[in-house]
Amino acid sequence: GAGVSQSPRYKVAKRGQDVALRCDPISGHVSLFWYQQALGQGPEFLTYFQNEAQLDKSGLPSDRFFAERPEGSVSTLKIQRTQQEDSAVYLCASSLSGLSSYEQYFGPGTRLTVT
Amino acid sequence: AQTVTQSQPEMSVQEAETVTLSCTYDTSESDYYLFWYKQPPSRQMILVIRQEAYKQQNATENRFSVNFQKAAKSFSLKISDSQLGDAAMYFCAYRPPPSGGYQKVTFGTGTKLQVIP
Repeated sequence: GAGVSQSPRYKVAKRGQDVALRCDPISGHVSLFWYQQALGQGPEFLTYFQNEAQLDKSGLPSDRFFAERPEGSVSTLKIQRTQQEDSAVYLCASSLSGLSSYEQYFGPGTRLTVT
Repeated sequence: AQTVTQSQPEMSVQEAETVTLSCTYDTSESDYYLFWYKQPPSRQMILVIRQEAYKQQNATENRFSVNFQKAAKSFSLKISDSQLGDAAMYFCAYRPPPSGGYQKVTFGTGTKLQVIP
């Protein structure tokens, strides 16, 4: 079956532009996570959805970052007025449930480069 | 807050040999989950192995096994009979206790494994 997909795979944005990154989770997965992975680092948690509800957005670095999952399936991470420090790979993961016993399945990521 | 430390930024191993990747973590909890993830250059993160802290037996998945030392808060990954396809970044990760609700994962900084033919 299909895994988690993300688009675009690569995005180059000029400083100050807005970007939107899409995540298609595995069908039927209730939980969806966004992570930011800077070069040479491990993924850092950004936000979590259970169905359409955003239950935790404590990892979003600033109010320029906004995520949504309006129908409890596809999710979009939006970054407004991009800055150079936003350059990173953005990973999406989904799982059947947010409970610890369920594995998270990761997408291939979107590499964002802000010039 | 939980922390996960991987002190080996890079490791190398000869093909068919065995290598051990180190990981330590900090938590005040008694029950939790630990993971090793593999991230090849294509960047799709794949779960390699999982350990539940309440289980004393070390997890094993084919050529991959862990040495879980709960008291020392150590969780190393051993790869036996290394293959070229094992070359990747390996991340150690921690997830809090299964006390209900969601639980976010904390990752280490990763170890880049090179496999030498």
